[in-house]
Amino acid sequence: AQSVSQHNHHVILSEAASLELGCNYSYGGTVNLFWYVQYPGQHLQLLLKYFSGDPLVKGIKGFEAEFIKSKFSFNLRKPSVQWSDTAEYFCAVFRGSYIPTFGRGTSLIVHP
Amino acid sequence: GAVVSQHPSWVICKSGTSVKIECRSLDFQATTMFWYRQFPKQSLMLMATSNEGSKATYEQGVEKDKFLINHASLTLSTLTVTSAHPEDSSFYICSARVGTLNTEAFFGQGTRLTVV
Repeated sequence: AQSVSQHNHHVILSEAASLELGCNYSYGGTVNLFWYVQYPGQHLQLLLKYFSGDPLVKGIKGFEAEFIKSKFSFNLRKPSVQWSDTAEYFCAVFRGSYIPTFGRGTSLIVHP
Repeated sequence: GAVVSQHPSWVICKSGTSVKIECRSLDFQATTMFWYRQFPKQSLMLMATSNEGSKATYEQGVEKDKFLINHASLTLSTLTVTSAHPEDSSFYICSARVGTLNTEAFFGQGTRLTVV
């Protein structure tokens, strides 16, 4: 079965540290890739997305992600995190026409 | 981005009663709407996918007679939890998408259901 794996379930960082969250998927066909963020008490918001073209995509709030097709990966990065980045991060893969699959999420805590 | 509104944001109901949750796309017409269930500290579990005017497609293990989904228009989908029980207590989230490939999905704020 198709799956989306987020390897880091809990990440704790200090402010200004660099961040990389892993996301791997198992579907071999055409995919749309997304990273969503869920701040405490709020709904899911789109951080960035990849449909086609340049595999390095930039999103809001200084986040970026790189699609590596050969590795079936779409890792999220940020060079310097802030306390306000504390949230749950979800990788999502829309495969085929539109069926979405979410990773289990990564809880990020940034200490000031 | 486009706005998806869910109503109510939270609801408490008695065991055995039914609860309806609405999901509206406010400024766009949603070709497809998705309903998810999210358990604490866990990911979103897709329950069903609905296209306007047709029957919803339920994921394996989701009881279609318990979770009734209606997608009567391009801007409204409803999820009715019938004969709710405490184990149905959860966070329910809807999402709407325009088109299929190469479009993003927009999420509602979620509905916290507590069955007592």
